[in-house]
Amino acid sequence: EDKVVQSPLSLVVHEGDTVTLNCSYEVTNFRSLLWYKQEKKAPTFLFMLTSSGIEKKSGRLSSILDKKELFSILNITATQTGDSAVYLCAVHNNAGNMLTFGGGTRLMVKP
Amino acid sequence: GAGVSQSPSNKVTEKGKDVELRCDPISGHTALYWYRQSLGQGLEFLIYFQGNSAPDKSGLPSDRFSAERTGGSVSTLTIQRTQQEDSAVYLCASSLTGLDEQFFGPGTRLTVL
Repeated sequence: EDKVVQSPLSLVVHEGDTVTLNCSYEVTNFRSLLWYKQEKKAPTFLFMLTSSGIEKKSGRLSSILDKKELFSILNITATQTGDSAVYLCAVHNNAGNMLTFGGGTRLMVKP
Repeated sequence: GAGVSQSPSNKVTEKGKDVELRCDPISGHTALYWYRQSLGQGLEFLIYFQGNSAPDKSGLPSDRFSAERTGGSVSTLTIQRTQQEDSAVYLCASSLTGLDEQFFGPGTRLTVL
């Protein structure tokens, strides 16, 4: 059974801080790892990672995958209050069906 | 449409009643998924549709849950004889091929009294 574990469970920082969110996984026939941001109900897509060591970047957010050690990190630099959300990590196996989600990391950025 | 849409956005029902939740995927997306998110929990897979293939129902928690997808587009998730533990946000997602990123709708918050 595929499994995704995220840490920390929650995090409180101040604006301007840099944060690193962790995601470790166990999956049969790994295809991809995805990061989502969930503020209210709908998770919004951030990144999809398929190859080790290649950083994906979007503004202040970046993510990298290590397929040998089976983990990924999501970095957010110069955090803003608008970054406050639950960040979800999910893995996709080659069966091509559902995503298996971790429990999420709740980030709160204080002014 | 521009994104995945779901209706209703909120549904309050009494225990024992049936409910229907609707999902309109992004136009052209062949894959459609239903997930459930209970309070403070991660997303739990329910069912997956890909084109005209038989759906993957492996995540449905009981036979009170069913879903259909008509014409390869709109999907309806039906919960019969609702129970209080069915209270959750039900999220629908679609993807272009089933192998790429999934885009989520705004969800339906179901409350069973």
